Amino acid sequence: DTGVSQDPRHKITKRGQNVTFRCDPISEHNRLYWYRQTLGQGPEFLTYFQNEAQLEKSRLLSDRFSAERPKGSFSTLEIQRTEQGDSAMYLCASSPNPGGEQYFGPGTRLTVT
Amino acid sequence: GIQVEQSPPDLILQEGANSTLRCNFSDSVNNLQWFHQNPWGQLINLFYIPSGTKQNGRLSATTVATERYSLLYISSSQTTDSGVYFCAVGSGGSYIPTFGRGTSLIVHP
Repeated sequence: DTGVSQDPRHKITKRGQNVTFRCDPISEHNRLYWYRQTLGQGPEFLTYFQNEAQLEKSRLLSDRFSAERPKGSFSTLEIQRTEQGDSAMYLCASSPNPGGEQYFGPGTRLTVT
Repeated sequence: GIQVEQSPPDLILQEGANSTLRCNFSDSVNNLQWFHQNPWGQLINLFYIPSGTKQNGRLSATTVATERYSLLYISSSQTTDSGVYFCAVGSGGSYIPTFGRGTSLIVHP
C-alpha cells in the first residue's frame, strides 16, 4: 500500500474559476477526511465520509465548497468561483475506522491569483 | 467544541538537547494523535495515543486523559527533527479531530 495520495500537488488558478482536487485513501479505509490549512495554523476540518456517506458537511467553508465520494473509494473536493481567500493547503486523510489513526496525504496547495 | 492548546508555540534547540511539548485539551477525548509536519507540508504520524505511554526511538509520548493533557518528549534532538509538531484530538461519537496550532521546532547543528 502506497499511502494516501492527492492530485494535483499544486494548483494555480484565477479568481472565479472552479477547481477540483482528488484524494485516493489507503485501500479498505472506511473514513476519509478533508482539511484546509493556512499559514501558521493547524489543519481545519472541512468534511468527512464513512464509506460513500458524507456524515458532516456543516463545516464546509461556504456553499462554494462541495465534496463527493461516490463509490466509497476516492473522493473529490470542488471549489466553485474561487476567491483569493481560498488559497491554502488542502489535506486529505483516511483511517480504517471511526476514531482510528489518521494517515494524511501530501496535500494540494492552491493559489488563487 | 473542544479546545486544544499547544505549548510552547516556538522552540529553538541546539542539536543533542532534549525537549517536552505539551498539548492541553478542554474535554474528554477518545482519540489523540501527534504529528510532525515537515517543510514540504507532509503530516507524518508520530503517535496514536488516547491514553498511556508509548515510545519510538528518541521520541516518546504520554497522555493523561483524566487530567486532559498529553506530552511529547524528544531526546537527543537532531536537525531533522525541525518542523511543526501538531496534536489532534477527537471527542464525541463522530471522532472529528481538532488540531492545536502546533509547536514550531528549530534544531540548530
